[in-house]
Amino acid sequence: DAGITQSPRHKVTETGTPVTLRCHQTENHRYMYWYRQDPGHGLRLIHYSYGVKDTDKGEVSDGYSVSRSKTEDFLLTLESATSSQTSVYFCAISDGGQVGYGYTFGSGTRLTVV
Amino acid sequence: GDSVTQMEGPVTLSEEAFLTINCTYTATGYPSLFWYVQYPGEGLQLLLKATKADDKGSNKGFEATYRKETTSFHLEKGSVQVSDSAVYFCALSEGGGGNKLTFGTGTQLKVEL
Repeated sequence: DAGITQSPRHKVTETGTPVTLRCHQTENHRYMYWYRQDPGHGLRLIHYSYGVKDTDKGEVSDGYSVSRSKTEDFLLTLESATSSQTSVYFCAISDGGQVGYGYTFGSGTRLTVV
Repeated sequence: GDSVTQMEGPVTLSEEAFLTINCTYTATGYPSLFWYVQYPGEGLQLLLKATKADDKGSNKGFEATYRKETTSFHLEKGSVQVSDSAVYFCALSEGGGGNKLTFGTGTQLKVEL
């Protein structure tokens, strides 16, 4: 009954290659987010979206781009992958943009750049 | 900018012990505060939240009280179980459009028999 799915779950890629991660939701939530999780840093926001074609940068957006052409899909692209982008990537959704609304998280994508 | 500081882990406890995980925050406004839990190999799940001073969030035996005077939101549980072993994240949101969450670094809890 997962309302949010990420694909792929695992990926190994070479330095310099483009990579796209997909987040798909069935909840019709307006807000979608991409975070990365690294030891000692917790989760850090990469980009987020507040509607179709409406996106904004987070605190660690360099080297990443996003697109949202449909409410249900939010894509994260690494234009030219680097070893520093080896991480676990989480997508999250929220049904409200105001303070107090929690997130629902996907299961994550483990990306290794070699 | 906003920040969240959590106690370092791992925290190792025996089953039925009392748990406290400290969390303090820095924010310019009046944030909402959250605790999320992450079980191995999974995404984060919302555990509890509080949206104003002196509010107490609670769920599954866990509690946390929003203390504005000490800018804290410590997580407590009276009697932990092995199944509580996970990583716990404190987080805040100041809204401002987008409801972006700022997370702490996480605290790993290990509960042993």
